[in-house]
Amino acid sequence: KQEVTQIPAALSVPEGENLVLNCSFTDSAIYNLQWFRQDPGKGLTSLLLIQSSQREQTSGRLNASLDKSSGRSTLYIAASQPGDSATYLCAVSGSRETSGSRLTFGEGTQLTVNP
Amino acid sequence: NAGVTQTPKFQVLKTGQSMTLQCAQDMNHNSMYWYRQDPGMGLRLIYYSASEGTTDKGEVPNGYNVSRLNKREFSLRLESAAPSQTSVYFCASSAGLGGSPLHFGNGTRLTVT
Repeated sequence: KQEVTQIPAALSVPEGENLVLNCSFTDSAIYNLQWFRQDPGKGLTSLLLIQSSQREQTSGRLNASLDKSSGRSTLYIAASQPGDSATYLCAVSGSRETSGSRLTFGEGTQLTVNP
Repeated sequence: NAGVTQTPKFQVLKTGQSMTLQCAQDMNHNSMYWYRQDPGMGLRLIYYSASEGTTDKGEVPNGYNVSRLNKREFSLRLESAAPSQTSVYFCASSAGLGGSPLHFGNGTRLTVT
């Protein structure tokens, strides 16, 4: 059974710092990996999706990398801002089937960016 | 752009009561999902509908039923609520193709006493 772990569970940084969030998974036979953001009391917002054949994806100040063989992904946030404060979750898909039916989620990293 | 809309936002039930959580999406997505989110357990899939007219069990389907009313709407029913069903419930949708991102609603916070 696929297991997804995110370390650390919580992270507090000063504004402007570059930071890395980590995600590891136990079964390297994945189809894709997604990073989500969750604000308090809200649903999840998809940030980046990396297919298994890709090494990284970028969107603005966010860069996500994937190393399937080692079972790891990182989310790099450049020049962090207080508005980046949220919980970040990663999820891996083990199948080409319907996107959300075979997703395994990590429990997330709660990020606080202090002004 | 409403995206995925869930109702209600909050609900308190007594053990044994029933209720239906409603979900609608306006993105013409084929696939819809119901998840629950619990501290220490993460997000777990309850049921999903790969396309209109089909539904399938996810990881934790016991105690729930679903209906894919049409392409837009996917409801989740608790027939006899139990305290173990206290959770935050999220509906999500996707285009359905492998690799398409999920879009989530804002959730329903359910408490069963």
